[in-house]
This record gives sequence, C-alpha cells and structure tokens, in this order.
Amino acid sequence: EVQLVESGGGLVQPGRSLRLSCAASGFTFDDYAMHWVRQAPGKGLEWVSGISWNSGSIGYADSVKGRFTISRDNAKNSLYLQMNSLRAEDTALYYCAKAFGYSTSCCVDGMDVWGQGTAVTVSS
Amino acid sequence: QSALTQPASVSGSPGQSITISCTGTSSDVGAYNYVSWYQQRPGKAPKLMIYEVYNRPSGVSNRFSGSRSGDTASLTISGLQAEDEADYYCSSYTSSSTLVFGTGTKVAVL
Repeated sequence: EVQLVESGGGLVQPGRSLRLSCAASGFTFDDYAMHWVRQAPGKGLEWVSGISWNSGSIGYADSVKGRFTISRDNAKNSLYLQMNSLRAEDTALYYCAKAFGYSTSCCVDGMDVWGQGTAVTVSS
Repeated sequence: QSALTQPASVSGSPGQSITISCTGTSSDVGAYNYVSWYQQRPGKAPKLMIYEVYNRPSGVSNRFSGSRSGDTASLTISGLQAEDEADYYCSSYTSSSTLVFGTGTKVAVL
C-alpha cells in the first residue's frame, strides 16, 4: 500500500524551530519529487516547498523562503521540513505529498498521494 | 506568488453540470500545461482529480473533466452527485519554478 506518514508537529513558541518528517512506503521513493503543503484552520491549501527526486531542484513559497528548508534521504525513504523562526501564521496542518509524474523539476507535477498531515501550532 | 482565483462557491442540482474556474496569469496557468485539480472532503486529505490540464488519474470518474482558455483553467463536473460535495482546489506551476494553489471552491449539491 502506498503510504505517507508525517510526524514532528506540535506546539511551539514564536521564533523557535521544529522539524517535520514524512516516512514513505509502498512506492519507489527516489523516483519522485515530493512536496510539503499546509492548510491553516478553516483555510485553503498553501504550497510550502518541493524537492526533486535527487534534491537537485528545490522550490519554496515566498512566505517561508529563508526560514524553512526541505530535504530528503532516499536511503531512508524520508522527507523532511526544517522550520526555523516560526510565526503564528505558520500554524497549520502540514501535509507531505508525492508528485504524480517523473519530472526532474521539483515543482511541476500534481500530487497523487497525500499523508494525513501533522499539526503545527505556533503560540506563546 | 498570488493565489489563483476561484469562485468561493458553486452549486447545482443532482444530474446537472457545474464548472469551476481558476484564473491565473501568463506566468502560471497561461504558460504551462501543469494545472491540476484536487477534491477535498471535510477532515480528509486532498485527492488528485485532474493533472496536466485535461488528464484524469486512474480511478477518477469520467464525470470530471478539465480545460483551459488563456489564463483561466476550468473543472467541469457532469451528472452532479451528492458525493461530489466538497472543496475543490486548482494548482499551477509558475515561471518562478514554484507551485501555487487556487483560493478554493466549495461545491454544494442542492
């Protein structure tokens, strides 16, 4: 079964850091680009970041550029999101998602497999 | 990276067809064949319904179809059913090598 399981969310104070992880199974992880997408409570989807299969192509939303870092470990079938200098507006459910196609670009394809998300709350 | 513009809500009766628009710019929707559509039911993760403007993933009903004219992409749901009630989002690749989602549309089946 194709599966993505996120972890690492929680309650954190503004200005602090958090690292999210996503464990992939059921598919050849290093064949596909991967994404992080977030959804604030009661709001729409917001793309956060994407990374190509070999980490050679990486993209970030302007809202997180310079604060968040995406990475992957293909040997461990895992995706990560290092989040620094967290703000209240980063509060959201963070989804890990697999790209649909085989593009070498990080951010071209749609996402056909999604995890259930890990919740991040930034509050003092 | 402004969000793509979608109507807040669209409604229809069972059996009818509805169309959801997704308006971007010549730097995203109008520039690339990388528009996708997602369905999200309450409390659930999004589901890919359309990729590369027109294409349906395996398992998605052929009642869902995608199109594009200029900087506006559209998702049409034919033969509307109660199970189609959900939020729908478009997304597009951009000239900044990033991805952007639409504002989302709530579909109601009357």
